[in-house]
Amino acid sequence: QGQLVQSGAEMKKPGASVKVSCKASGYTFTSKNINWVRQATGQGLEWMGWMNPNSGNTGYAQKFQGRVTMTRNTATSTAYMELSSLTSEDTAIYYCARGLGDYDYVWGTWGQGTLVTVSS
Amino acid sequence: DIQMTQSPSSLSASVGDRVTITCRASQAISTSLGWYQQKPGKAPKLLVYATSRLESGVPYTFSGSGTGTNYTLTITSLQPEDFATYYCQQYYSIPLTFGQGTKVEIK
Repeated sequence: QGQLVQSGAEMKKPGASVKVSCKASGYTFTSKNINWVRQATGQGLEWMGWMNPNSGNTGYAQKFQGRVTMTRNTATSTAYMELSSLTSEDTAIYYCARGLGDYDYVWGTWGQGTLVTVSS
Repeated sequence: DIQMTQSPSSLSASVGDRVTITCRASQAISTSLGWYQQKPGKAPKLLVYATSRLESGVPYTFSGSGTGTNYTLTITSLQPEDFATYYCQQYYSIPLTFGQGTKVEIK
């Protein structure tokens, strides 16, 4: 089944950027898309975008276009999500998630989440 | 964007109760609907996908149904470990969107 392990909590100032990592193990990293979902404290889930680890192709939610970049390192089986021009509205837990079987957008495996706090 | 509206936003129930959560999409989503359970401090857990397919290891007390714009998650006999927040998610079209969540609390 595999697992995804994310990097630790981050604290950033407004205007800065943050880069969160998601290390895959127990399966072929390039075989399944990685998606990113975030959750503000006490709020619901918000999809940010997807990345194909094999091709590097990406697709971002309109809301994050121009501010988010999803990349990968196939040598280390690690996906990255970088979000720039941070504001307090970006304070949230960020999750990576992997598709289930033939379903790219049904997520059976999730990382543990990375808390990003944006504060001056 | 497809809006997903869940109801109720919260409910109180007892162990052994039958619980039903509904999710309405702003347009037809062709059964491209999943349900997730989330407990405090944890990542969401997939329960149901393609409207009615149970993820491996999920108890048969959970079931999903629906068509068109209206979908339902049913827990036939609520267990202590089922107290959590539940989210529906459509994957019919980009951007993928979630319902606002239903918190199931102990009565």
